[in-house]
Amino acid sequence: GESVGLHLPTLSVQEGDNSIINCAYSNSASDYFIWYKQESGKGPQFIIDIRSNMDKRQGQRVTVLLNKTVKHLSLQIAATQPGDSAVYFCAENRHNAGNMLTFGGGTRLMVKP
Amino acid sequence: IAGITQAPTSQILAAGRRMTLRCTQDMRHNAMYWYRQDLGLGLRLIHYSNTAGTTGKGEVPDGYSVSRANTDDFPLTLASAVPSQTSVYFCASAVAGGTGELFFGEGSRLTVL
Repeated sequence: GESVGLHLPTLSVQEGDNSIINCAYSNSASDYFIWYKQESGKGPQFIIDIRSNMDKRQGQRVTVLLNKTVKHLSLQIAATQPGDSAVYFCAENRHNAGNMLTFGGGTRLMVKP
Repeated sequence: IAGITQAPTSQILAAGRRMTLRCTQDMRHNAMYWYRQDLGLGLRLIHYSNTAGTTGKGEVPDGYSVSRANTDDFPLTLASAVPSQTSVYFCASAVAGGTGELFFGEGSRLTVL
């Protein structure tokens, strides 16, 4: 049958609004959580990361929140711009598994002008 | 500044043929990775190398082999391609032991008929 992974969750926002992209992770032993942005036809690009002993980290127009209690990660983008349109992936870094990243399925962000 | 260079960009291949995807980085990163990305799915790790001369298996290694003769190059070989290997392949590099910030190439789109 068709994999549910073929249909990416999509978030559609108005230009200038704030965006919140969510991600659930599975391994409580992960040391770092990372957000990547992938534009059409390109490779993923690092946005921001957060250590497991933190619950919030801010970058330029982006904030990552980590809730270890419910194993939830979110990426907040302030004043979303058309250039933010892309697929966003969360990833977890499990040092006890050879420092390799495990990626989530991704969320497509569409910014309406 | 090239970063990560992958070749070819795109290839159509008959089933049963041998194919090598090339990856070169000029950042002197210790660690290199090969991921495959299938329609609507996240990235899955095929093989990795934490340093020149060593390689390891990722999540989906079957049907693929890698070598790491030097720091810069990390080719991925499909010994006998099958249609299920149709995918977009991404090479990435990172500082070994880092937080998980990977630098990705632009991808190689492979179609196996």
